[in-house]
Amino acid sequence: QIHLVQSGAVLKRPGASVNVSCKASGFTFTAYFIHWIRQAPGQGPEWMGRIRPNDGATIYAQKFKGRVTMTRDTSTSTAYMEVSGLTSDDTAVYYCARSGVHNWFDPWGQGTLVTVSS
Amino acid sequence: EVVLTQSPGTLSLSPGERVTLSCRASQSINSRYLAWYQQKPGQVPRLLIYGAASRATGIPDRFSGSGSGAEFTLTINRLEPEDFAVYYCQQYSNSPWTFGQGTKVEIK
Repeated sequence: QIHLVQSGAVLKRPGASVNVSCKASGFTFTAYFIHWIRQAPGQGPEWMGRIRPNDGATIYAQKFKGRVTMTRDTSTSTAYMEVSGLTSDDTAVYYCARSGVHNWFDPWGQGTLVTVSS
Repeated sequence: EVVLTQSPGTLSLSPGERVTLSCRASQSINSRYLAWYQQKPGQVPRLLIYGAASRATGIPDRFSGSGSGAEFTLTINRLEPEDFAVYYCQQYSNSPWTFGQGTKVEIK
């Protein structure tokens, strides 16, 4: 079975950074893209960017450029996303999701709640 | 950036009814690169439809998608109790990939 398993919920102070992991299983990690998508409370999903695990190539939404870094470890089939300079507006559930060459998302990880509060 | 506008915001319906959800794009979407997702409270979004009209694996045939250009529709025939949820459309024609704000289908 195809699974994406994410790291657990975190509480961060404003200005801090957060790192979320996404471990893939059940498929060839390097044959797909891994995307990061966030969903603020009561809002629709928002695409943040993607990484191609095969070579580490990334694309970021303009809104997140300079503040988000996506990496991967092919030896453990794990993708990572770091968000720096956190503000309360970054409070959201962060998801990783898989896509092929066409960028629909299936499946999704279980989500990681990131709460930013002083 | 392609803006997706979903309507209506909320629908109140009874089990067994037929429902049609709309997703309008701010510009034409190439090659019908549109997907639909279902999200229940506290759950992860689930892919229903891709390519505007192709059902994802395991999705019942009461769900169907249609449309092209900038106008797309998700239809659910004979609502089942488990279909009450929020539905999102998503375009993957132009980066950044964007989602609509969602339509909530609630029990009347």
